[in-house]
Amino acid sequence: KNEVEQSPQNLTAQEGEFITINCSYSVGISALHWLQQHPGGGIVSLFMLSSGKKKHGRLIATINIQEKHSSLHITASHPRDSAVYICAVRSGYNNNDMRFGAGTRLTVKP
Amino acid sequence: DTAVSQTPKYLVTQMGNDKSIKCEQNLGHDTMYWYKQDSKKFLKIMFSYNNKELIINETVPNRFSPKSPDKAHLNLHINSLELGDSAVYFCASSASSGNTIYFGEGSWLTVV
Repeated sequence: KNEVEQSPQNLTAQEGEFITINCSYSVGISALHWLQQHPGGGIVSLFMLSSGKKKHGRLIATINIQEKHSSLHITASHPRDSAVYICAVRSGYNNNDMRFGAGTRLTVKP
Repeated sequence: DTAVSQTPKYLVTQMGNDKSIKCEQNLGHDTMYWYKQDSKKFLKIMFSYNNKELIINETVPNRFSPKSPDKAHLNLHINSLELGDSAVYFCASSASSGNTIYFGEGSWLTVV
């Protein structure tokens, strides 16, 4: 079993819908990252969280350390949000050790 | 200017060859990384360099060796390439090991 589990694996939504992607992890962490990988392959860091909630534009990320769970929300989704979203955690024992989820492929249809 | 740049973007080579992928960052970061993304799109960290010191080295064959001539560069050398080395390799950097990570565009390696 992977130390970082994401759900769903694939998600198709209509433009304007509210999107939620979940990430659960089983190891102690110092921080959690949400990454976006575009169809062309480039990877962009969206958020880095160690507690609470962060918001950037239409994106919101939350983390519950006790439950070892994080969610990424997209409000008013748009076709340009179509990408793979990857959850990654930094080890609480070795800050340079990162573990990745398998990614959630999001397709937003116009 | 691209913050983290890696070259080449595409590389097709034969089994047994030795190849290098170069990475440079102009962000003044002190930590650089190499990641491998396999055919199933699963990312795994390969190396992390902090102030020219190798911090971690996951279960990576010793055919792979990172070389850091200075803080702004972390090159990846691969000896005796195998078919299973075909993947996308991403270079990245961060201001310190706990901060936001900036990724390069990726290098698509195909071993034939």
